[in-house]
Amino acid sequence: NAGVTQTPKFRILKIGQSMTLQCTQDMNHNYMYWYRQDPGMGLKLIYYSVGAGITDKGEVPNGYNVSRSTTEDFPLRLELAAPSQTSVYFCASKKENTEAFFGQGTRLTVV
Amino acid sequence: GQSLEQPSEVTAVEGAIVQINCTYQTSGFYGLSWYQQHDGGAPTFLSYNGLDGLEETGRFSSFLSRSDSYGYLLLQELQMKDSASYFCAVRVPRGSTLGRLYFGRGTQLTVWP
Repeated sequence: NAGVTQTPKFRILKIGQSMTLQCTQDMNHNYMYWYRQDPGMGLKLIYYSVGAGITDKGEVPNGYNVSRSTTEDFPLRLELAAPSQTSVYFCASKKENTEAFFGQGTRLTVV
Repeated sequence: GQSLEQPSEVTAVEGAIVQINCTYQTSGFYGLSWYQQHDGGAPTFLSYNGLDGLEETGRFSSFLSRSDSYGYLLLQELQMKDSASYFCAVRVPRGSTLGRLYFGRGTQLTVWP
């Protein structure tokens, strides 16, 4: 099993550009999450989904959008990149009462 | 809002025991988890407490007191490889789901030889 796969691993964006961070999981998990982690900080919840077609905001949703058209995929969209969005982004998935499994992260720099 | 407080850093020597505390204030609570993250890596699950009391998994134990909104992670027989960041995380119900999973800011553990 691949687990949770995130692409790309690294990306540099210019201010105002847009991009989609991809996340896919092959464990048939219903819950999926996007977090951002700034240096020396914890994980801030951006958006989450409890199943296909259902998404909800987390702590820091501004500047981001998500969709969940399938159980496997949960892409995160940045429409107008800003320097404040420079961070490491982690996708995670879990079942109802199990631990969360994380992808290896996407390191994004906005210049 | 949600608030999880844990110390920013802890240091200890190999073979010692260390306790990392976590206090939380959340709008709803379903359970407390602990995750480990090595530099440059992804967080990985260590332990979960859904009920009050102690859970033991090898060298790691975790404790929860729901009435005190408090938990801790206990690491015994410390090894150099235990040097990492440790995060407490809270499951918060929303509607009929346990959708939200919030993390603390993390405790950086440094183990010295």
